[in-house]
Amino acid sequence: DIQMTQSPSSLSASVGDRVTVTCRASQDISSYLNWYQQKPGKAPNLLIYASSTLQSGVPSRFSGSGSGTDFTLTISSLQPEDFGTYYCQQSYNTWSFGRGTKVEIK
Amino acid sequence: EVLLVESGGGLVQPGGSLRLSCAASGFSFSTYWMSWVRQAPGRGLEWVANIKQDGSEKYYLDSVKGRFTISRDNAKKSLYLQINSLRGEDTAVYYCVTTGHSSTWYYFDYWGRGTLVTVSS
Repeated sequence: DIQMTQSPSSLSASVGDRVTVTCRASQDISSYLNWYQQKPGKAPNLLIYASSTLQSGVPSRFSGSGSGTDFTLTISSLQPEDFGTYYCQQSYNTWSFGRGTKVEIK
Repeated sequence: EVLLVESGGGLVQPGGSLRLSCAASGFSFSTYWMSWVRQAPGRGLEWVANIKQDGSEKYYLDSVKGRFTISRDNAKKSLYLQINSLRGEDTAVYYCVTTGHSSTWYYFDYWGRGTLVTVSS
């Protein structure tokens, strides 16, 4: 099984800050890495697939990078509506998620 | 508009069974792989099972193999999850999810609102 490790587990940042979340796979997964945002009480929402491809309708302040085992989700300028928990997910071999990074607005 | 509506959750005793259903609309259901993903209260996401468009391939999380069965009825545009021998650790919101793809890249693009399964005596 492929294990996904996210860091940090939580962060607090101000509006306008650049925010970075990292995700590490336990083995090489090429670019088979997706990112989701989940707000409290809601279903997750796909942000990025194939490591760096922005899903239709997702603001351009979100970006993803990485390949192999190390990946990054970046929010270039944090907005109030970006609070929530962010999950990485590998789709290389079945599916597995990271434990999530909770983003709070200061 | 893509709509996925889950039903069938509830309170069940350990060792009991439930059948979850998902009614799909707004897209060509028979052309999509479909999945179930669960989330225990206050915890992260966990993929549970998925099924190919024609039902010929099914895959499961190791911890549910032999207890959970995923199935679909393309004529009714419905996805199902039969869950048996329920344990406390199966308590979760269960989401019905479409598996979209672009070339060789697969992802979960549409999610239902979920149905809560609570296992407790």
